[in-house]
Amino acid sequence: GAVVSQHPSRVICKSGTSVKIECRSLDFQATTMFWYRQFPKQSLMLMATSNEGSKATYEQGVEKDKFLINHASLTLSTLTVTSAHPEDSSFYICSASSLAGANEQFFGPGTRLTVL
Amino acid sequence: DAKTTQPNSMESNEEEPVHLPCNHSTISGTDYIHWYRQLPSQGPEYVIHGLTSNVNNRMASLAIAEDRKSSTLILHRATLRDAAVYYCILRDWAGGFKTIFGAGTRLFVKA
Repeated sequence: GAVVSQHPSRVICKSGTSVKIECRSLDFQATTMFWYRQFPKQSLMLMATSNEGSKATYEQGVEKDKFLINHASLTLSTLTVTSAHPEDSSFYICSASSLAGANEQFFGPGTRLTVL
Repeated sequence: DAKTTQPNSMESNEEEPVHLPCNHSTISGTDYIHWYRQLPSQGPEYVIHGLTSNVNNRMASLAIAEDRKSSTLILHRATLRDAAVYYCILRDWAGGFKTIFGAGTRLFVKA
């Protein structure tokens, strides 16, 4: 199956700093990418949907100025957590689907963010 | 978005079949039924999906009720590596295939 990678896998940062997480589709062109966050013992919560070359669509309650999403190419999307605070500590997961296989969605391994 | 209902947890013995149920009584005609599973500290892994007919692949089988209001994921022989949270999800092509996760079923496998 198609492979989606995320970098970094873990990051620890100080409160007030910004953190960028990369999501790459390694062997296919991802026309759509999705970003999720997951707190311990909870399910995944969809944050936003991004299509290549256009602005991301954020789910209700997700601050677009706090979580900046860029999908500048067909293989790369980035999520930047701006001015991170301890409550932003979470497991962030991206997924991607292609135009040809829009019914299939492939998930990255996740990024563990800890804000001190 | 149409919702799914799954038991919070299930337990199985190793080497035995496991039937994981999912109710989706408000499913629409354009909803595909997808199953993913997630191991601790990993991203979800695709298991299987279907629309109306039963489906088989190397990982599992998916049995879909005739009225499509419920489905069952079947693991033919559970192994310890199958212990995970299993999510039953409806994906609608008309809704841009957005995937909304429910609570899922945590499967425990006993040796």
